[in-house]
Amino acid sequence: GAVVSQHPSWVICKSGTSVKIECRSLDFQATTMFWYRQFPKQSLMLMATSNEGSKATYEQGVEKDKFLINHASLTLSTLTVTSAHPEDSSFYICSALASSSSYEQYFGPGTRLTVT
Amino acid sequence: GQNIDQPTEMTATEGAIVQINCTYQTSGFNGLFWYQQHAGEAPTFLSYNVLDGLEEKGRFSSFLSRSKGYSYLLLKELQMKDSASYLCAVRMHGSSNTGKLIFGQGTTLQVKP
Repeated sequence: GAVVSQHPSWVICKSGTSVKIECRSLDFQATTMFWYRQFPKQSLMLMATSNEGSKATYEQGVEKDKFLINHASLTLSTLTVTSAHPEDSSFYICSALASSSSYEQYFGPGTRLTVT
Repeated sequence: GQNIDQPTEMTATEGAIVQINCTYQTSGFNGLFWYQQHAGEAPTFLSYNVLDGLEEKGRFSSFLSRSKGYSYLLLKELQMKDSASYLCAVRMHGSSNTGKLIFGQGTTLQVKP
């Protein structure tokens, strides 16, 4: 089956610093990637939709200047949390769609971010 | 707005059958997914319904009624490893929403011996 990886799997950073999270589709080309955030005991909240070669589409309430998304190739999307604060501590999960006609999203294993 | 409702928690006994319900009111609909998620892990795909009716896959079945905005996930012969969160997600419709999923809050299922 299709595999999506994320790196790093967990990261601890100090308040005010920036953190980059990578999402890669390993054995397929992803036309679209999605970034989700999940707080403890809550469900996945979609943050943004990322299409290769174009600007990401952010969901209402998500600051695009704080959560920078770059989808530079068909196999890589990155999420950079800028000037991180403790309230940004969360589980960040990406998913990838193989094509616009595909219905199944393939999820990465997630990245646990802790901001101290 | 988008609204997807699931029970927060459920408890069932090993070997039994459990039904997890999901009701939705969304501005668009292009299919409904069920995912299983263990704590600290990514969701794993269980089922996808786009037409009304029942889809069966081993111990897991999923039902959809589009007119009622209702779905359920049925788990048979429960095993301890089925203890997890079960997420209902609606796939949105429209070219600007390609593949976009809206998730319910998830149902935490605890299977007891």
